[in-house]
Amino acid sequence: NAGVTQTPKFQVLKTGQSMTLQCAQDMNHNSMYWYRQDPGMGLRLIYYSASEGTTDKGEVPNGYNVSRLNKREFSLRLESAAPSQTSVYFCASSEAYGGTEAFFGQGTRLTVV
Amino acid sequence: GEDVEQSLFLSVREGDSSVINCTYTDSSSTYLYWYKQEPGAGLQLLTYIFSNMDMKQDQRLTVLLNKKDKHLSLRIADTQTGDSAIYFCAERDNAGNMLTFGGGTRLMVKP
Repeated sequence: NAGVTQTPKFQVLKTGQSMTLQCAQDMNHNSMYWYRQDPGMGLRLIYYSASEGTTDKGEVPNGYNVSRLNKREFSLRLESAAPSQTSVYFCASSEAYGGTEAFFGQGTRLTVV
Repeated sequence: GEDVEQSLFLSVREGDSSVINCTYTDSSSTYLYWYKQEPGAGLQLLTYIFSNMDMKQDQRLTVLLNKKDKHLSLRIADTQTGDSAIYFCAERDNAGNMLTFGGGTRLMVKP
């Protein structure tokens, strides 16, 4: 069972470059999320998609955009990367918006130099 | 906004019990969760408790919730070296909008 798959696992960007983080889930979940994890700060929600066709801002959306391409896929884009966006990014999905359990991907470690 | 606090670090000996504590501020929390993160991996849900419960037991794991004090704890009995990881508590608000995570507690189990 693949669950939630994120690509790439690691990425180094120069300041100002753009990139898209990909996420796909095979559990037929309606809701998907993007979090960033910084040391000692837990996970903070960047954007979420409660259902296919909708996206909403989370706690820390600035500098990011998202696309819910279809029910399976939810991508996160950095248009102009900044060193402050150096972090580990996690995608997650849940059966329903506010569902009791969220399943997480393995994470993408992004370094912006 | 909501705030979830955890101590940063806990060290125990193999076979002892571990107790990881968490405090939160949102009195309207509906569900409270414990996640485990092993090195280089994503978060794995260990257990969760509904806010109208005081305790939940699942094999070696016991979750205690003191809603009055907004205090959540995770007790791991007979801690093993494989339990070494970072443990996150999280709460979901009444609107179900999002999970708010604590900063994580790194549990180190010494043989």
